[in-house]
Amino acid sequence: DAKTTQPPSMDCAEGRAANLPCNHSTISGNEYVYWYRQIHSQGPQYIIHGLKNNETNEMASLIITEDRKSSTLILPHATLRDTAVYYCIVRVNYGGSQGNLIFGKGTKLSVKP
Amino acid sequence: DGGITQSPKYLFRKEGQNVTLSCEQNLNHDAMYWYRQDPGQGLRLIYYSQIVNDFQKGDIAEGYSVSREKKESFPLTVTSAQKNPTAFYLCASRAGGQPNTEAFFGQGTRLTVV
Repeated sequence: DAKTTQPPSMDCAEGRAANLPCNHSTISGNEYVYWYRQIHSQGPQYIIHGLKNNETNEMASLIITEDRKSSTLILPHATLRDTAVYYCIVRVNYGGSQGNLIFGKGTKLSVKP
Repeated sequence: DGGITQSPKYLFRKEGQNVTLSCEQNLNHDAMYWYRQDPGQGLRLIYYSQIVNDFQKGDIAEGYSVSREKKESFPLTVTSAQKNPTAFYLCASRAGGQPNTEAFFGQGTRLTVV
């Protein structure tokens, strides 16, 4: 399994961009990078995913390095409601467990006024 | 609305009792998953099912059982053999067939053993 490494916590000022890093140095060529977030006591919410190219949607942007060993999730204008734990996940893709998501401890993002 | 529903939201159980957590989805998803989350920790996979009438153990299956008799339903039973069942349980579903489809999560069931 390709494992991920994230900082345990980060702070961000409201209205500023939040840049959340993730290292996945053992990722293999056909594994996608996924980002989810979990607001306290709720189920995780899908944010974005990508394989090689940078991706953008209405929630965030995902920047993946050319060697694919790391990525950054960007929330362009963080609000207080973006305070959550953010999980970077590499999709396990082998045998019968295709599609399983392996969660680490994530990064606790605190957006401050 | 389409989605994935877990019930109940809060559940209390006496030691030694089995309890079943419900998970229903109307997204027509093939794959369904059960995770456990302890305070301050990430999610750990208990069981998963890629198709009806088939399921596989995840990383922490001991003390749990599941069934997948219908596509839309994947109930989890926490048995008395589970030594430390107090936790937050999350169910998820995903469209099968492709590796790049996202998973949708329910809002979770918080189980407390009293």
